[in-house]
Amino acid sequence: QQQVKQSPQSLIVQKGGISIINCAYENTAFDYFPWYQQFPGKGPALLIAIRPDVSEKKEGRFTISFNKSAKQFSLHIMDSQPGDSATYFCAASMVNFNKFYFGSGTKLNVKP
Amino acid sequence: EAGVTQSPTHLIKTRGQQATLRCSPISGHTSVYWYQQALGLGLQFLLWYDEGEERNRGNFPPRFSGRQFPNYSSELNVNALELEDSALYLCASSLGTGWYNEQFFGPGTRLTVL
Repeated sequence: QQQVKQSPQSLIVQKGGISIINCAYENTAFDYFPWYQQFPGKGPALLIAIRPDVSEKKEGRFTISFNKSAKQFSLHIMDSQPGDSATYFCAASMVNFNKFYFGSGTKLNVKP
Repeated sequence: EAGVTQSPTHLIKTRGQQATLRCSPISGHTSVYWYQQALGLGLQFLLWYDEGEERNRGNFPPRFSGRQFPNYSSELNVNALELEDSALYLCASSLGTGWYNEQFFGPGTRLTVL
């Protein structure tokens, strides 16, 4: 059973557009939701993270929107750039368990 | 500051053999995590070591095992290799326990089982 479901599997966006990636989870005990960015040949790197006590977190062009009642969270990339082309993973974990459940990933391609 | 390093970069084995993958964490980090990244399946948590002890384990059979050495480096062993073990194996390290300790990932070891 997949704990975190991510969609879409792939996404093509024009330069300057908004990229939106969605994730849903089942376990209400999750209380930490990070997003990771992975470039080819590299390991994932933490992009932005949120806890369920806030509904939105913004860092530069990247925003996480969190809907606790729907058990969903999403990543919005504003003014998408070709350099944003990468695979994005959402994840969820519980405090002190240090065990992350990852989504299956979204391959983003930003066209110039 | 050097990041997490993994060796080898690529590893080719045949079914039934054993594979050993190695990871060196960032200096000062005591926790090491192993993940399996199979095609289309995202990252699956394998093992977590902290201060030389196994702290948590994912839903993998016992033929996946590992250890952490006194210098905090770690080794992942996969015995009796099966074709479906072919994947990218990622190692990550963090300062210690606690959710707020960001996990830094290495570039991975690509294991191919023929």
